[in-house]
Amino acid sequence: KQEVTQIPAALSVPEGENLVLNCSFTDSAIYNLQWFRQDPGKGLTSLLLIQSSQREQTSGRLNASLDKSSGRSTLYIAASQPGDSATYLCAVLYGNNRLAFGKGNQVVVIP
Amino acid sequence: DTAVSQTPKYLVTQMGNDKSIKCEQNLGHDTMYWYKQDSKKFLKIMFSYNNKELIINETVPNRFSPKSPDKAHLNLHINSLELGDSAVYFCASSQDFPGDLANEKLFFGSGTQLSVL
Repeated sequence: KQEVTQIPAALSVPEGENLVLNCSFTDSAIYNLQWFRQDPGKGLTSLLLIQSSQREQTSGRLNASLDKSSGRSTLYIAASQPGDSATYLCAVLYGNNRLAFGKGNQVVVIP
Repeated sequence: DTAVSQTPKYLVTQMGNDKSIKCEQNLGHDTMYWYKQDSKKFLKIMFSYNNKELIINETVPNRFSPKSPDKAHLNLHINSLELGDSAVYFCASSQDFPGDLANEKLFFGSGTQLSVL
């Protein structure tokens, strides 16, 4: 069964701290892994996409790593800001062309 | 100039009614999707179309029927609405079908919140 788990479900951090969000997935036969951001009442915005052959991707303050053998990905947000408050979802594309989503990490950055 | 737009944003209706949600993308993408996000926030794929052809059809009641008049549009029609259909429905698109290039980001619409009373 292809499952994606994100822990913790929710977290609050003071502004300026670094954020570390974890995603784990069963079945290491993946094509890629994406991290999305979802704001309340809005759609999802793709943040980073890591191909199965890659170990990490970086964009500005965001860095995502991928360890297929252990079935894990980590999204790292440096020097968090109140504007980073959102729900972050991890999605894994499996070989059967199905994109499996986690439930998300709900993040609140406290000014 | 919204990339993926869906209408309506909110839809409140009675059980048993038939309703449609429309989606349009102006990105020139070949593949479009419908996802359902339930009350527990799980996102699950319902359908995927590639160049107007149905590619993915998950275990969805046949009361749900997607229609793609052209590759820029993918509409979702729901017959005989039930209470359990209440959810947020997201349309999305990607340049190619996931897996073909294994490097295709998804672009999502802002969602349609369906409430069945």
